[in-house]
Amino acid sequence: DTAVSQTPKYLVTQMGNDKSIKCEQNLGHDTMYWYKQDSKKFLKIMFSYNNKELIINETVPNRFSPKSPDKAHLNLHINSLELGDSAVYFCASSQGVAGRTEAFFGQGTRLTVV
Amino acid sequence: QQQVKQSPQSLIVQKGGISIINCAYENTAFDYFPWYQQFPGKGPALLIAIRPDVSEKKEGRFTISFNKSAKQFSLHIMDSQPGDSATYFCAASGTGNQFYFGTGTSLTVIP
Repeated sequence: DTAVSQTPKYLVTQMGNDKSIKCEQNLGHDTMYWYKQDSKKFLKIMFSYNNKELIINETVPNRFSPKSPDKAHLNLHINSLELGDSAVYFCASSQGVAGRTEAFFGQGTRLTVV
Repeated sequence: QQQVKQSPQSLIVQKGGISIINCAYENTAFDYFPWYQQFPGKGPALLIAIRPDVSEKKEGRFTISFNKSAKQFSLHIMDSQPGDSATYFCAASGTGNQFYFGTGTSLTVIP
């Protein structure tokens, strides 16, 4: 059973489009995150949610909007996609307070904006 | 501002050798220091982690050395194997509701 699953794994889209990435965890964790990994492999936090409540919203453009319908799901919607949004996006989850215990990562969604 | 500094950026080691990756941090409120291993096309996965009440933690061929006064910690991979070839990230947390990752080290183990 996959602990943290993201869909889709690959996403190729044109500039200006709107797209969503879905994430689900079956670990019963309280906290979920979105990280962006750029071409140099740097992992940067975008958002973290604890029990469906937004905890962290780093300096991410308003075009990115996370949605947590329940504590097992954290989806990422991106409006008006730009070339610079091309990256690998990772969803992760951890138990308890954000950043205090092991984070489990999904396999990533490779987004390519053309 | 990079909260956790990691070096080297890349590392090539012969099979059977020792791989050493170093990290440094500034925030003394950090109290959890995990290392993550990432293979191409996969998400990072926890390899080993340490809390600052101990100076060393060993799990199989992997050891974390932690120096609280110097605010440094390192990963040692003994008897490195080609299957260890991956990108390694150190991280720190304890404040800020997130993990702060280092910039990653690409390890290649030559057979």
